[in-house]
Amino acid sequence: QITLKESGPTLVKPTQTLTLTCTLSGFSLSTTGVGVGWIRQPPGKALEWLALIYWDDDKRYSPSLKSRLTVTKDTSKNQVVLTMTNMDPVDTATYYCAHRGMGESFDYWGQGTLVTVSS
Amino acid sequence: QSALTQPASVSGSPGQSITISCTGISSDIGGYNYVSWYQQHPGKAPKLMIYNVSNRPSGVSNRFSGSKSGNTASLTISGLQAEDEADYYCSSFTSSNIVFGGGTRLTVL
Repeated sequence: QITLKESGPTLVKPTQTLTLTCTLSGFSLSTTGVGVGWIRQPPGKALEWLALIYWDDDKRYSPSLKSRLTVTKDTSKNQVVLTMTNMDPVDTATYYCAHRGMGESFDYWGQGTLVTVSS
Repeated sequence: QSALTQPASVSGSPGQSITISCTGISSDIGGYNYVSWYQQHPGKAPKLMIYNVSNRPSGVSNRFSGSKSGNTASLTISGLQAEDEADYYCSSFTSSNIVFGGGTRLTVL
């Protein structure tokens, strides 16, 4: 079955770069049509889409965060990596990776990882 | 891009039906049939309930239905049950990006 799991630091300092890894199971990013997205959710707030990477290495980013985000894939490890530069306390959130489903939906989600930005 | 607009809260009694609206613009909801709805219980990851405006993934109850008219999409839950109490989010594809709504808290009275 399809599962995803996020991993990375739970605490980063302001101005640092965050690197999160999403490990995929049950599917491969080398398969035509597959995509993996990143979504975050500050405590008590709404979901915010961050980025999406497709099987053909096409990448899409949130316009408001595009300058700070990079998403890459490692098909040999079946992983997707998200980096976000210049972290700020307002970036404190639970970060999710998710499998792209029909109609640009997200049909399988990781459990999420809480990242706190604080000095 | 701006977030899609949802009511902050809705409520209903068990057995009743409720509808949650999600308003966008012509370049997101109005321009594509790529509207999705997610249910999120506290402390849990979101769960896909509707995709492509009105399609239910396997395993989702047929009490959940979706529709769209112009720039507004809607999620209807019929026969409300206690376990439906959760936060609900809409999302839409928009010219190569994805945008979420601000979320609606459903309270089952």
